Amino acid sequence: QKEVEQNSGPLSVPEGAIASLNCTYSDRGSQSFFWYRQYSGKSPELIMFIYSNGDKEDGRFTAQLNKASQYVSLLIRDSQPSDSATYLCAVKTDSNYQLIWGAGTKLIIKP
Amino acid sequence: ETGVTQTPRHLVMGMTNKKSLKCEQHLGHNAMYWYKQSAKKPLELMFVYNFKEQTENNSVPSRFSPECPNSSHLFLHLHTLQPEDSALYLCASSQGETAYNEQFFGPGTRLTVL
Repeated sequence: QKEVEQNSGPLSVPEGAIASLNCTYSDRGSQSFFWYRQYSGKSPELIMFIYSNGDKEDGRFTAQLNKASQYVSLLIRDSQPSDSATYLCAVKTDSNYQLIWGAGTKLIIKP
Repeated sequence: ETGVTQTPRHLVMGMTNKKSLKCEQHLGHNAMYWYKQSAKKPLELMFVYNFKEQTENNSVPSRFSPECPNSSHLFLHLHTLQPEDSALYLCASSQGETAYNEQFFGPGTRLTVL
């Protein structure tokens, strides 16, 4: 059973601090990794994707991938109250290209 | 949000009703997906269509019936649903069904089965 695990939270971070969200996956054949943000009552919105080991930066967001340890993380710098949402990690394997989803981490940014 | 549209946004139906959910994508994508999202659970993939052909049916009960007349439109026909089918139903699309194409979601249909 291919799985993607996330801490459900809530993760509470003060405004202006760095929020760190983690995700582990079970299938070593996983090829691509996605972070989505979902506000309450809304649909998931793609934030970032990463394919290669290392860091990928986009504005205040940095995705980090470590295939040897089978984890992917999302860092949010200078956290804002508008970053409060549930963050979903999704992984694609090389078997059927379907996304395997984590249950999400609820992030709360406190002013 | 306008790249993938879904109607209706909210639906309340009885267990004996028949209804349909509609999804339309304006992104020129070739693959479309139906997901079910229940509280505190990961998104559950229900159906996948790639170039109008169904490529995946993840053991979904027959009371859910998908239809994909072309690459831009996707329907989910519902009949004799159960209360546990109440959830957010999300449609998504991607350029193709490959390892690297990201999926874009519609706003979802909030379904309540009485």
